[in-house]
Amino acid sequence: AQKVTQAQTEISVVEKEDVTLDCVYETRDTTYYLFWYKQPPSGELVFLIRRNSFDEQNEISGRYSWNFQKSTSSFNFTITASQVVDSAVYFCALSADNYGQNFVFGPGTRLSVLP
Amino acid sequence: EAQVTQNPRYLITVTGKKLTVTCSQNMNHEYMSWYRQDPGLGLRQIYYSMNVEVTDKGDVPEGYKVSRKEKRNFPLILESPSPNQTSLYFCASSVTGNYNEQFFGPGTRLTVL
Repeated sequence: AQKVTQAQTEISVVEKEDVTLDCVYETRDTTYYLFWYKQPPSGELVFLIRRNSFDEQNEISGRYSWNFQKSTSSFNFTITASQVVDSAVYFCALSADNYGQNFVFGPGTRLSVLP
Repeated sequence: EAQVTQNPRYLITVTGKKLTVTCSQNMNHEYMSWYRQDPGLGLRQIYYSMNVEVTDKGDVPEGYKVSRKEKRNFPLILESPSPNQTSLYFCASSVTGNYNEQFFGPGTRLTVL
């Protein structure tokens, strides 16, 4: 069975601080994809990144970066120089089956960036 | 504009009164899915559809029905809603399967009294 754990329920930082959101996953499959989605206060879900299990390269996109480590089954997300607009709930998700089932979301981490 | 639409956005109903939440996408996606979001649980998949006339259960299908008669539409049906179905519901679509980025609708907040 697949499982995604986001141990940090809520995080508060002050603007311009760096923050890392943790994601730990469980799967027995060798082929899988990991995702991060952002849910701002307006409620919509915004896709941030997708990473497949064969690509362990870290990725940077502006102030966002992702660290994928298969050895620890983690896919952590770092926001550098956080801004108030980064305040949102962030979900990590795992897909180990391209045929519809087994798309699992973590419980989410609520990030509050204070001015 | 490429989008997934849901209607209604907000709904308050009473126990046992059948309701349908519509979902439509204009991206010609084969894959569509329904999720419910509850505090502390993230999003859980209710049903999904790989293509027209092909649907299957997700993790929490009890009390729900779906249909996929057209590629663009994937309605969620609650035949006899109960208070434990009070939740925030999201429809999503993707090119094909779970490996691809899913595009989500704006959500439907349902309250069952």
